[in-house]
Amino acid sequence: DVKVTQSSRYLVKRTGEKVFLECVQDMDHENMFWYRQDPGLGLRLIYFSYDVKMKEKGDIPEGYSVSREKKERFSLILESASTNQTSMYLCASSFYSGASYEQYFGPGTRLTVT
Amino acid sequence: AQSVTQPDIHITVSEGASLELRCNYSYGATPYLFWYVQSPGQGLQLLLKYFSGDTLVQGIKGFEAEFKRSQSSFNLRKPSVHWSDAAEYFCATSGTYKYIFGTGTRLKVLA
Repeated sequence: DVKVTQSSRYLVKRTGEKVFLECVQDMDHENMFWYRQDPGLGLRLIYFSYDVKMKEKGDIPEGYSVSREKKERFSLILESASTNQTSMYLCASSFYSGASYEQYFGPGTRLTVT
Repeated sequence: AQSVTQPDIHITVSEGASLELRCNYSYGATPYLFWYVQSPGQGLQLLLKYFSGDTLVQGIKGFEAEFKRSQSSFNLRKPSVHWSDAAEYFCATSGTYKYIFGTGTRLKVLA
């Protein structure tokens, strides 16, 4: 079974703090993703990575950066956390099944910025 | 551009009743379509997927979905809902690397 793990389930940080969210997958998937999920807005893509050290902006990259130094690990960084970044953050990894890419998700990190 | 629409934000059904959740897509070619379920406080779990071939696809937990090109739809169905099916359901389509998700339908199940 594919396993995607996220370092924290719940996190509380103060405004202005630097925040690291870690994601690890154990299936040697090429692609990894960070989404944020807010009520009524569904899942919005922040950043994704299709290879080690490669990254591309998603739909809402402002205020975030990412790092992928190893294939299995993809980190989301909030350089200076703000209250509007309070959200559920979901990590995913994907592989090409021969027909399409299939994504698998971690359990999510609920971040509260006060 | 590809898009996915879930017209129902909330749906309430009684336990044992049948269920249909709607999903409409916008794409010129044959899309790759997925349904995910998210239980409270959890990540998303893949229920089923459609790539090509048989338009009725079976998934886990007793769910099925039917691809109808003429209606640009990929509706999720279950003949008899269980209380544990209460969750949020997302329809998605995929392009190169990226997925496009609908805004979700929250299912409430009445005892």
